[in-house]
Parts: sequence; structure tokens; C-alpha cells
Amino acid sequence: GDSVTQMEGPVTLSEEAFLTINCTYTATGYPSLFWYVQYPGEGLQLLLKATKADDKGSNKGFEATYRKETTSFHLEKGSVQVSDSAVYFCALRNTGTASKLTFGTGTRLQVTL
Amino acid sequence: KAGVTQTPRYLIKTRGQQVTLSCSPISGHRSVSWYQQTPGQGLQFLFEYFSETQRNKGNFPGRFSGRQFSNSRSEMNVSTLELGDSALYLCASSLAVTGFGELFFGEGSRLTVL
Repeated sequence: GDSVTQMEGPVTLSEEAFLTINCTYTATGYPSLFWYVQYPGEGLQLLLKATKADDKGSNKGFEATYRKETTSFHLEKGSVQVSDSAVYFCALRNTGTASKLTFGTGTRLQVTL
Repeated sequence: KAGVTQTPRYLIKTRGQQVTLSCSPISGHRSVSWYQQTPGQGLQFLFEYFSETQRNKGNFPGRFSGRQFSNSRSEMNVSTLELGDSALYLCASSLAVTGFGELFFGEGSRLTVL
């Protein structure tokens, strides 16, 4: 079945540091890929998405490129802020599965001054 | 516009009891899906409803059930509660009629089973 593997957290960075959170997936067919963010006490918010190979999703300074050859969708940001502290989830949706998302385990990011 | 509203936000039950959680989607959204979030298993898909019909179902026992009303509001029910059912239950709504539209999540209902 489909699965998503994320790097273990927590990830602790100083403000303005470069961020990479690794995500790899296993799926048949041609899934769409997503990054969601969960701030403390809140629900999930869509951060960015990519629907086909080589697509780059971007939002709020975050980027991720859909790499079919390495089955990866790594999240990057050039300069993190304290306000980016949250839990980040990589997810996929496979063809024909409507609103069913398969999530990774989440990576907690803590940004300090 | 108002977001996805889940009630109650917090509840405590004992083993063997049952619980009903409610979700009001964003106005105009006809698809509602439910997810369970636990520290051990992460986020897992429970089921999705569209126009009062279950459109997709995850791998959960029959103790977990749901329904959707004509106004798109949805409820999920867990019967004969077990300790392992303690979790954050997230509801998400979507505008999409077919395929996939962006999911908008509520803040969740946190269930503790004692």
C-alpha cells in the first residue's frame, strides 16, 4: 500500500538557518504530494502541493519539488523564523482515492532566537 | 467565512462507553472526511462522506462509524470505547465534487478514554 516516510524530529534551528525536512514515498501510479503544517492547538493547514513529477510547490518561502526518480518531496526554506515552529506533515493522495490522504509521522520544528 | 467547526473540543469517556463527534463543514462544502491522530500511529484516514454517502473508508474496525446529513454536517461514532481510541479526531471538508480539492481541517476533538 501507499506510505510516506519523514525524517525523525524534533529539528531545532536558529532563526535564519536553512531548513530541510526529508520526505520519501511509496505509491503505485501517480500520486499528488502535499506538505501540511500544524501549529500548536490548531488543525492542519495546507502549506504547498505538487500534482505531477518535477512540479515545484511553494508558499510562504517554503518549497518542495516532486522527484519521481527518487520518490521524494523534501521541504526546504532558506531562512526560518520563530513563527515557523510547528509540526510538518508530508502526505500523498493517490489517483482515485478522493479525499484520502496518507500522511507521514510528522516532523516537529523548533526555531530559536 | 467560518471554518470547519468540530464539537466537542475535549471529552473524557470510560472504556465500554460510546461517543459521538460532530463536524460542521465550511458552507458550500459537500465532502467531509475524518482522520484519527495519535502519537503512535500518526494521522490515519477513517472515512469520507459526500452527499450523505460514504465514498471511501480506511482500515478501522466496525466500531467506528459515521454519517452525513443533508446539510453536509457529519458525525462520527465510536462504540465500545477502548483505551487505544484516545486520540485527536480531525474533520476536514472540501469543495470538490469529484477528485480532490484542498482539504480544510478543523481544530479537532480530543478524546481521552480512561
